[in-house]
Amino acid sequence: EIVVTQSPATLSLSPGERATLSCRASRSVGRNLAWYQQHPGQPPYLLFYGASTRATGVPVRFSGSGSGTEFTLTISSLQSEDFAVYYCQHYNTWPPPFGPGTKVEIK
Amino acid sequence: EVQLVQSGAEVKKPGESLKISCKGSGYIFDNFWIGWVRQMPGKGLDWMGIIYPGDSEITYSPSFEGQVTISADKSISTAYLQWTSLKASDAAIYYCARGIKAIRGVPDYWGQGTLVTVSS
Repeated sequence: EIVVTQSPATLSLSPGERATLSCRASRSVGRNLAWYQQHPGQPPYLLFYGASTRATGVPVRFSGSGSGTEFTLTISSLQSEDFAVYYCQHYNTWPPPFGPGTKVEIK
Repeated sequence: EVQLVQSGAEVKKPGESLKISCKGSGYIFDNFWIGWVRQMPGKGLDWMGIIYPGDSEITYSPSFEGQVTISADKSISTAYLQWTSLKASDAAIYYCARGIKAIRGVPDYWGQGTLVTVSS
């Protein structure tokens, strides 16, 4: 079983700052990794798959990178609507597990 | 526009049965798999299983096999998640989600969620 972990659990930043979120897999998943954003009371929203392929409508201030076991989601300049919980997910196996999430909160 | 519209919130007692639905529109329902994801209160996301409506192939996550039944009626573009005997621990929000073609397990569209409350 490949486990995904995320760090930090909570990230406290101000609007306009850069956010860097980390996702780590316990074994290599190649580039089979996706990122999602979830606001309270809303379903998740796909941001990236294939580690860095941007989903439809995702703003360019979001970028995904990495391969193997280390992945990063970067938000270049936080906007008010970006404060949310972010999940990574590998899809090398079934079921494809989600990470525990990183909450990006307003400092 | 792709949409997944789920049935409304449910309040049930332990031991009762339940079937919730997810109606797809704006795309060819048969050609994309649909999955169900559980989110317990204040917690993360858990895959329950997926169905490919075109041939009704179903794959369950081991944790949920035998606990729920996933089905679909492609004539009305609707997928279902069913319990025969609910437990208090089934209380959660359940999302249906449509998958990216050729990538099983990565949804690009999600339903709004169905809140299931189980309480005596």
